[in-house]
Amino acid sequence: GAVVSQHPSWVICKSGTSVKIECRSLDFQATTMFWYRQFPKQSLMLMATSNEGSKATYEQGVEKDKFLINHASLTLSTLTVTSAHPEDSSFYICSARDPGRLNTEAFFGQGTRLTVV
Amino acid sequence: QKEVEQDPGPLSVPEGAIVSLNCTYSNSAFQYFMWYRQYSRKGPELLMYTYSSGNKEDGRFTAQVDKSSKYISLFIRDSQPSDSATYLCAMSAEGYNQFYFGTGTSLTVIP
Repeated sequence: GAVVSQHPSWVICKSGTSVKIECRSLDFQATTMFWYRQFPKQSLMLMATSNEGSKATYEQGVEKDKFLINHASLTLSTLTVTSAHPEDSSFYICSARDPGRLNTEAFFGQGTRLTVV
Repeated sequence: QKEVEQDPGPLSVPEGAIVSLNCTYSNSAFQYFMWYRQYSRKGPELLMYTYSSGNKEDGRFTAQVDKSSKYISLFIRDSQPSDSATYLCAMSAEGYNQFYFGTGTSLTVIP
């Protein structure tokens, strides 16, 4: 199946610093990518929809100034957690849709575990 | 009311058992139904994809969709310890950009 690569798989950072997470579609061009957050034993919470060449669409309650999303190319979207705090510690997952495949099939990255200390 | 409801479990079964996982939903527009498997600290991987109503089988896995009842199921036959994971249902519709996920059901298959 299509491959979505997410990097890094885990990161520890100090409170107040910024962290960038990359999401790449390796064998297809993704016009749309999605960023999710997942708390332990809970489902995926959609944070934002990233559209290539335009501004991301954020879900209600998600601070766009804190979670900066850039989708500069058809194969790369980045999520930057700015001025991270311990409450931002979570599992962040991206997904991408391959427009050449089934209508709504989506593939997920491996996830990034962020720990803010 | 949530768009998608899924019993979080946890569900624990002996090896070889048949497992039944279910989701209900409220939006009658949903027509694409997916099951994802997620191992601990990993991203979800697509297991099954079904369009509209009916059954789909892939090896030990069978997905069923009953649109009249707004109910979908995933059956796992001859369950194996390697099937231990969280199973997430997801749904979408034509023209919908996002997916709607269930909370996930945690499954443990005991050897």
